[in-house]
Amino acid sequence: EADIYQTPRYLVIGTGKKITLECSQTMGHDKMYWYQQDPGMELHLIHYSYGVNSTEKGDLSSESTVSRIRTEHFPLTLESARPSHTSQYLCASSDFRSSGANVLTFGAGSRLTVL
Amino acid sequence: DQQVKQNSPSLSVQEGRISILNCDYTNSMFDYFLWYKKYPAEGPTFLISISSIKDKNEDGRFTVFLNKSAKHLSLHIVPSQPGDSAVYFCAASAAASGSRLTFGEGTQLTVNP
Repeated sequence: EADIYQTPRYLVIGTGKKITLECSQTMGHDKMYWYQQDPGMELHLIHYSYGVNSTEKGDLSSESTVSRIRTEHFPLTLESARPSHTSQYLCASSDFRSSGANVLTFGAGSRLTVL
Repeated sequence: DQQVKQNSPSLSVQEGRISILNCDYTNSMFDYFLWYKKYPAEGPTFLISISSIKDKNEDGRFTVFLNKSAKHLSLHIVPSQPGDSAVYFCAASAAASGSRLTFGEGTQLTVNP
């Protein structure tokens, strides 16, 4: 049962618009992540957070920003969308501590198309 | 530089036969490896993982093999079922990098009835 929710699932917008992709999890996980994925390509980590008021940029440079004001909520914002931002955005969370595999639980994704 | 690579974009097998999905990596610091399955319009779901200190881990129809000297791992699905048709992603993590996951490009598996 998926306990991590992303909205909207699909979004088509014009260039220059500001958009926020919502991500919420009900599992109480400390760690949350945003990945970007294009068809046939690997998932690229663009942002992550290890707790409230903690955010870091990932391995792939992104013009988006994130915030973590509450444990369960990790929204991603694009101030001015461009066609190059067209992609699928996947949110994930985990309760990883310091040992074992870091198993991420993913949301269903938000597919963004910028015209 | 891509540290995790899945060189086969697609694989087609018959129902009941074995599916073997392959993954290569370059970073010797990786200490855990994971496989995820992804259906269209859904997020990836976790399948199975293996620690770098092991060479095999089994869970039902799914077995992952790790060859550290070759920096290669594979996922075996036996027997394959039509419901296994999905994109399979290999991922790896290193404690030195906060155990964040690095993913491969995925392999589209199609199991034909």
